[in-house]
Amino acid sequence: EPEVTQTPSHQVTQMGQEVILRCVPISNHLYFYWYRQILGQKVEFLVSFYNNEISEKSEIFDDQFSVERPDGSNFTLKIRSTKLEDSAMYFCASSATVGNTIYFGEGSWLTVV
Amino acid sequence: SQQGEEDPQALSIQEGENATMNCSYKTSINNLQWYRQNSGRGLVHLILIRSNEREKHSGRLRVTLDTSKKSSSLLITASRAADTASYFCATNNAGNMLTFGGGTRLMVKP
Repeated sequence: EPEVTQTPSHQVTQMGQEVILRCVPISNHLYFYWYRQILGQKVEFLVSFYNNEISEKSEIFDDQFSVERPDGSNFTLKIRSTKLEDSAMYFCASSATVGNTIYFGEGSWLTVV
Repeated sequence: SQQGEEDPQALSIQEGENATMNCSYKTSINNLQWYRQNSGRGLVHLILIRSNEREKHSGRLRVTLDTSKKSSSLLITASRAADTASYFCATNNAGNMLTFGGGTRLMVKP
């Protein structure tokens, strides 16, 4: 069964460093997302991406965050200058169309020290 | 409370029993999706139910939706130890964003 794949599964980084989290969405999907889950808290929406541009973003997704689809398969989330409070599980997700099932990857644990 | 709140927060049952988890939400929705998450792992999609649907089944899972009460329930029948996980409802309203609830932690004792 097709799945969303994410790398790395776990990353530890120093505060202030840049981090890039990578995702390969399901191949025929057109909508891509990033969500995050701080330990013990709810899963929160960050951003959605369609047709090579951001379609929605939350208040969390400030200027420190950016997304990119550098080629036909990868979808990345960049955090420019990490803070301690960015420590969380980051989930990539994709869907074929609006209003359809959204499939999530296994997540990337980010620990900022 | 926020969109997509699950009830109860935690549920402990014996293997073979049924587990019912409830979700309430505040605004109108296009669809509601249920997910399972094993500890520290990814979100596994279980069922999507649209606003014009009242009930859906998938194997041992049954989901109902009552848009007049803005609530949904997930029933797992004949539970197994492997069903131990957190279960989340997530609502999709305008746009394509999902809003998640806090989840129900289900423990199924063998």
